[in-house]
Amino acid sequence: DVKVTQSSRYLVKRTGEKVFLECVQDMDHENMFWYRQDPGLGLRLIYFSYDVKMKEKGDIPEGYSVSREKKERFSLILESASTNQTSMYLCASRAWDRDNSPLHFGNGTRLTVT
Amino acid sequence: DQQVKQNSPSLSVQEGRISILNCDYTNSMFDYFLWYKKYPAEGPTFLISISSIKDKNEDGRFTVFLNKSAKHLSLHIVPSQPGDSAVYFCAASANLDEKLTFGTGTRLTIIP
Repeated sequence: DVKVTQSSRYLVKRTGEKVFLECVQDMDHENMFWYRQDPGLGLRLIYFSYDVKMKEKGDIPEGYSVSREKKERFSLILESASTNQTSMYLCASRAWDRDNSPLHFGNGTRLTVT
Repeated sequence: DQQVKQNSPSLSVQEGRISILNCDYTNSMFDYFLWYKKYPAEGPTFLISISSIKDKNEDGRFTVFLNKSAKHLSLHIVPSQPGDSAVYFCAASANLDEKLTFGTGTRLTIIP
């Protein structure tokens, strides 16, 4: 079974802090993703990566950056946290293949910015 | 611009009856569609998918129907069970694109 592990289930940070959300997958997947989930808005893609040191902007990248130094690890960085970044953050991974393998998600990190 | 829409935020269904969840999309380039199920405090889990070359795909109690001309897909669950109570997201991708676009979700409640 694919395991995607997010390092924290709950985080509380102050406005202006730099925040790191970590994600590790154990299935040697090429592709990794960061989504945020908000009521009434569903899951929105922040950034994704299809290889080490590669990154692509998703639909809402503003205020975020990412790092992928190793294949199994994908970090989301909030450079200066703001209250509108309070959300549930979901990391996912998938193998690159032609059969559209599904995304495998971690259990999420609920971030509160005060 | 919401390219994938789930217009019903919530749905309640009696146990044993059929649950029908709907999803509409606007991007005609989408050619692969998926449904995910999410319990509270857990990440979404993959449920079922369908390629645009098909109009129906079944997996046990779950069937997904695709109407390309209407840009509409639906998920049928029959019979519905209490464990089906969750939030359901539909998602779509285009031409083996790496990213999925998700809908806003429908909270399904199965009433015992």
